Amino acid sequence: DGGITQSPKYLFRKEGQNVTLSCEQNLNHDAMYWYRQDPGQGLRLIYYSQIVNDFQKGDIAEGYSVSREKKESFPLTVTSAQKNPTAFYLCASSDRDPVPYEQYFGPGTRLTVT
Amino acid sequence: AQSVAQPEDQVNVAEGNPLTVKCTYSVSGNPYLFWYVQYPNRGLQFLLKYITGDNLVKGSYGFEAEFNKSQTSFHLKKPSALVSDSALYFCAVRDDEGGSYIPTFGRGTSLIVHP
Repeated sequence: DGGITQSPKYLFRKEGQNVTLSCEQNLNHDAMYWYRQDPGQGLRLIYYSQIVNDFQKGDIAEGYSVSREKKESFPLTVTSAQKNPTAFYLCASSDRDPVPYEQYFGPGTRLTVT
Repeated sequence: AQSVAQPEDQVNVAEGNPLTVKCTYSVSGNPYLFWYVQYPNRGLQFLLKYITGDNLVKGSYGFEAEFNKSQTSFHLKKPSALVSDSALYFCAVRDDEGGSYIPTFGRGTSLIVHP
């Protein structure tokens, strides 16, 4: 998990509330990613960013929003529009293309919405 | 388009025996292939990758993977399994054509090593 921190590790929220998950990296990576992990479904991409002030939707962006104001930070907001937000959320970073660099992952945040 | 399949949800092996975790892929061009490991309630850790060159790739913790272009496979192997190898393993692929640099991950294979 070295170099990427996610906080908090566990997060509990009531339905209808927005919640922001933190992701910080000190690896000097240009690219950052947010994934959602559900049992038996692997990793699904929510948003990604290749450079500061730019980000792109992934496969399941509905109900989520992000910002990339600093190279080191890529916070994810889970909005009340997300139908089923309870999941394990993983942030990752990598050097930017065109070389196919591996991704470095944070320890994850487990979000429970009731 | 790129896709990856991990045909086994779970692999069981006795400690000391060789292990194989299977991965097959589909790409339009040439593949970039990755293996990651995830321990419970943790993030993924990179094990190894194939970009080009030798078909046998060596990685962390004694793992290796063999790239087979004709069978479109990239199976993860280890000669002698340890109980501590028990974890969730993910294969990922990127296509060198199409312009996307985002990898596609498989669903994961749970490896259980029995003492």
